[in-house]
Amino acid sequence: SSELTQDPAVSVALGQTVRITCQGDSLRSYYASWYQQKPGQAPVLVIYGKNNRPSGIPDRFSGSSSGNTASLTITGAQAEDEADYYCNSRDSSGNHFGMVFGGGTKLTVL
Amino acid sequence: QVQLQESGPGLVKPSETLSLTCAVSGYSISSGYYWGWIRQPPGKGLEWIGSIYHSGSTYYNPSLKSRVTISVDTSKNQFSLKLSSVTAADTAVYYCARLNTAMVRYWYFDLWGRGTLVTVSS
Repeated sequence: SSELTQDPAVSVALGQTVRITCQGDSLRSYYASWYQQKPGQAPVLVIYGKNNRPSGIPDRFSGSSSGNTASLTITGAQAEDEADYYCNSRDSSGNHFGMVFGGGTKLTVL
Repeated sequence: QVQLQESGPGLVKPSETLSLTCAVSGYSISSGYYWGWIRQPPGKGLEWIGSIYHSGSTYYNPSLKSRVTISVDTSKNQFSLKLSSVTAADTAVYYCARLNTAMVRYWYFDLWGRGTLVTVSS
């Protein structure tokens, strides 16, 4: 199956902009989705498709993609954005009905 | 409001079979969507286990395929996970989720259950 690679940890100063990236061959064929997970909670979808936000997700969250890399950008990071972030896409190997997750990025807001 | 709720034993002995159920409320599984299981070992990342369509079509993570069975019971509006021959490495929080496949270029898990911790230990 395909693999998605994320930086283990990223930090950002309060109010600044941070980009979290995800790399993998499957991203040449499929868009990534992004999930935010806070300690002890289930993941929450924050970005899907080219750059779509579910209802209730602040517009400071945005997504982009180029080649084999997908990015989640938080513009004006807030203290409540401190969390683990996971990317996810369809698996481009095999029958393409599988799903694959990145290893996750721990975001610290300073 | 669509909700998913996992249930099942929190403790399973090594070599036995882990069994979990995900009850869906607020939406009829028969109406569509794929439904999936994802797990997260303590302190680690998310791992897709497998997905099932309401018709019963299933797709599994190749690394778990030999031990996994996912089934759906439309009469009870729930789907289930069985993982056989478990070891300590299968200790994890298990989540059920709805998989949105409306667009070919992107699929995503738009609704998640709260998760249930399953510990494999004698």
